[in-house]
Amino acid sequence: AQKVTQAQTEISVVEKEDVTLDCVYETRDTTYYLFWYKQPPSGELVFLIRRNSFDEQNEISGRYSWNFQKSTSSFNFTITASQVVDSAVYFCALTLMNRDDKIIFGKGTRLHILP
Amino acid sequence: KAGVTQTPRYLIKTRGQQVTLSCSPISGHRSVSWYQQTPGQGLQFLFEYFSETQRNKGNFPGRFSGRQFSNSRSEMNVSTLELGDSALYLCASSATGTPSYGYTFGSGTRLTVV
Repeated sequence: AQKVTQAQTEISVVEKEDVTLDCVYETRDTTYYLFWYKQPPSGELVFLIRRNSFDEQNEISGRYSWNFQKSTSSFNFTITASQVVDSAVYFCALTLMNRDDKIIFGKGTRLHILP
Repeated sequence: KAGVTQTPRYLIKTRGQQVTLSCSPISGHRSVSWYQQTPGQGLQFLFEYFSETQRNKGNFPGRFSGRQFSNSRSEMNVSTLELGDSALYLCASSATGTPSYGYTFGSGTRLTVV
């Protein structure tokens, strides 16, 4: 069975600080996708990134960066120079690649950016 | 293009009643998945429909059911509501329902059972 663990339930940082959200996943399958979603107070899940299990390259998008390490089954997310608008709940998720399968979500990390 | 539309946004029901939630996917998308989000259990998969057929089902009691229409709009129904059914119900729209094509979520329906 698949599992996603986000050990950090809640994080608070002061604006402009960097913050890393941790994600550890478990699966016996070798082909899978990993995701990060942002959930603002409005409730909608906003897609941030999808990474497949074949591609361990780190990715940077503006102030966001992701570190995917298969050796440690981790897919961590870093926000550089955080802003108040980054305050939200962030979910890491996993789904298997070759099946019409459900998305397995972590429990989420609530991020507070303090002005 | 229009996003995923879920109606209603908020709902208050009494224990024992039944409720129907609606999800209109992105135009052209044929797959709709439903998820329940609660503080205790987090986001859990309910079921997925593709071209009017249920392809996958999560571990929920039979009180939770759904269907999809020929225009890809989907409804989910919860009968005999319990207090524990209070949650944010999210639907996800996908062109094919496979992860390579991605999923777009709606803003959800927040159901409160009193």
